Amino acid sequence: EAGVTQFPSHSVIEKGQTVTLRCDPISGHDNLYWYRRVMGKEIKFLLHFVKESKQDESGMPNNRFLAERTGGTYSTLKVQPAELEDSGVYFCASSQASGVVYGYTFGSGTRLTVV
Amino acid sequence: LAKTTQPISMDSYEGQEVNITCSHNNIATNDYITWYQQFPSQGPRFIIQGYKTKVTNEVASLFIPADRKSSTLSLPRVSLSDTAVYYCLVGGTAGNMLTFGGGTRLMVKP
Repeated sequence: EAGVTQFPSHSVIEKGQTVTLRCDPISGHDNLYWYRRVMGKEIKFLLHFVKESKQDESGMPNNRFLAERTGGTYSTLKVQPAELEDSGVYFCASSQASGVVYGYTFGSGTRLTVV
Repeated sequence: LAKTTQPISMDSYEGQEVNITCSHNNIATNDYITWYQQFPSQGPRFIIQGYKTKVTNEVASLFIPADRKSSTLSLPRVSLSDTAVYYCLVGGTAGNMLTFGGGTRLMVKP
C-alpha cells in the first residue's frame, strides 16, 4: 500500500512569492489533514478535509493560506504571498475515519524556506 | 484535548530497555492514549495506542495505570535506529486534530 506522498520535499522561495504544496493521501482515505512545524515550535494542526469538504480549518493562520482538495483526492496548500514566518515543515496526514483514536498516516513533509 | 507532559530528552544504549513516561492528568473518559515516533526528515509514525492496562505490539508496549493519568511507552532492547522523537497524544473518537507536545528526543548510543 502506498503511503501519503508529499511534494516537493523542499522548496526555497523569496518573500512575496507563491508556493503550492501537494499531498496525495492513501487511496480510500476520506480524511486528509495538514499540519506544520515552524522553527522551534511544536507540530500544529492547520485543517481537516473530509473528502472534498473542509471539516475544520481552525488552525489556518491567516488568509494567505488556501487549501483545496479537488474531487476528494489529492490536496494542495497554497501560500500567497509567502512571508518569512511561514518557513517550516508542512505535513500531510490521512486516515480512514476522523477521530484521534484512529491511526493517522503522515507523509514525509515539505520543508519550506522563505528567504 | 488533554495536555501531555513528557521528558524533553533521554539517552540510552543499544540493547537496553527504554521507558518513556507521559503525564496526562486531565484525560477524559473517552480519550485514548496514542504514541507516535518521528525520525528526522520524516513525518510522525503511529506506533501504539491503548485505553487502559497494557497493550503490546511488535514494536513496543504501553502501560496505563488504573487512573489513566499517565502512561509509559516501553521499547525493549533499543537499537541505534530507535533514535527518534516520541510523542504522546490523547484523544478520542470525537474531534479530528492531533495535539502534539514537544515530544521526547531519544538518543540511543552504541
